[in-house]
Amino acid sequence: GIQVEQSPPDLILQEGANSTLRCNFSDSVNNLQWFHQNPWGQLINLFYIPSGTKQNGRLSATTVATERYSLLYISSSQTTDSGVYFCAVDAAGNKLTFGGGTRVLVKP
Amino acid sequence: EPEVTQTPSHQVTQMGQEVILRCVPISNHLYFYWYRQILGQKVEFLVSFYNNEISEKSEIFDDQFSVERPDGSNFTLKIRSTKLEDSAMYFCASSEFLAGETQYFGPGTRLLVL
Repeated sequence: GIQVEQSPPDLILQEGANSTLRCNFSDSVNNLQWFHQNPWGQLINLFYIPSGTKQNGRLSATTVATERYSLLYISSSQTTDSGVYFCAVDAAGNKLTFGGGTRVLVKP
Repeated sequence: EPEVTQTPSHQVTQMGQEVILRCVPISNHLYFYWYRQILGQKVEFLVSFYNNEISEKSEIFDDQFSVERPDGSNFTLKIRSTKLEDSAMYFCASSEFLAGETQYFGPGTRLLVL
């Protein structure tokens, strides 16, 4: 099956800093989603981005499908950005395969 | 904005008991999914469901698990005889179409098997 690798596994940021999270995947995909898992365990949908670039407030994402990677940018980080960020991909049209996540801690 | 809902939010059960986790997908969606996340691990696919039958299932989804759409709005996951290792967060998701569409996740049910 498809492999999804996220880096870095852990990230500690000072409030106000910018950061980039990376997701590499091993095969062509027809769906790629970024999620934020909050401290209560809920998965919050950030982006649906199988290709191209999108922005939503302080967050933006870019997927280069031909090179099989996606990047999530967090700008001017806030303490509420803390949590685990997951990338998930769908290659066969029927299920998402999740990466291992990047655990982000934003310190005040 | 429409959302996927799940009940209960938490459930504690004894090993060997049956549990039913309930989900209400977004109303015009046709494809439904269950995923689980053992504490501290990645989210794993369990099963997908379309047109009242299973489309695909993972190795985790053995004979102890079953899914059902008992009416026009609910989608359930049943675990027949729970084991300690079934303790996890269970997420329901739905999508409007199949290939390449956004999957919308519910808030999860945290299951603890004692």
